Amino acid sequence: GAVVSQHPSRVICKSGTSVKIECRSLDFQATTMFWYRQFPKQSLMLMATSNEGSKATYEQGVEKDKFLINHASLTLSTLTVTSAHPEDSSFYICSAPTGLGYGYTFGSGTRLTVV
Amino acid sequence: AQTVTQSQPEMSVQEAETVTLSCTYDTSESNYYLFWYKQPPSRQMILVIRQEAYKQQNATENRFSVNFQKAAKSFSLKISDSQLGDTAMYFCAFMKPYTNAGKSTFGDGTTLTVKP
Repeated sequence: GAVVSQHPSRVICKSGTSVKIECRSLDFQATTMFWYRQFPKQSLMLMATSNEGSKATYEQGVEKDKFLINHASLTLSTLTVTSAHPEDSSFYICSAPTGLGYGYTFGSGTRLTVV
Repeated sequence: AQTVTQSQPEMSVQEAETVTLSCTYDTSESNYYLFWYKQPPSRQMILVIRQEAYKQQNATENRFSVNFQKAAKSFSLKISDSQLGDTAMYFCAFMKPYTNAGKSTFGDGTTLTVKP
């Protein structure tokens, strides 16, 4: 089945530094990738939608300059948290559609801790 | 905009018993897809079951089945013979094809605990 590989699974960084999270579709081409943020015991909050070869679409209230999304190829989408601060600490998940009406395949998530 | 409501924040069930998780949604569309996703303690989201709105027959996947009531806009998940590995947070999701860039709307989730 379709697999999305997400790395790193955990990262701790110092305040003010940047962190890059990668999501790769391993056995299918992901023209679209959704990026979410999730707080403990809460639902997924959609941050942005990346499309291969075009600019990402950000949800209202998400800072484009802080959360840089790049969809460089049909198998790779990245989220870079720039100038991270403790309030950016969270669980970040990516997902890609696996065919019309067949739902999404999710990455395994990245737990970001900013100290 | 579509909304998805899961009215049960937490539920518990004894191992081997049956439990039903509720989900209602609001839409004016006639063609759409509904999903249940599972997020175990590992936090890996997994698709459990999907339903196409134009199909009257309820979807089933082994111990998981849905009760899809289109007129009532209800999409409940039944888990039979509950197992400890079913302990997870369950999310109901709605997707309208060909619109909204393929985005899904997720409910707030139901945390299910299976007790031995």
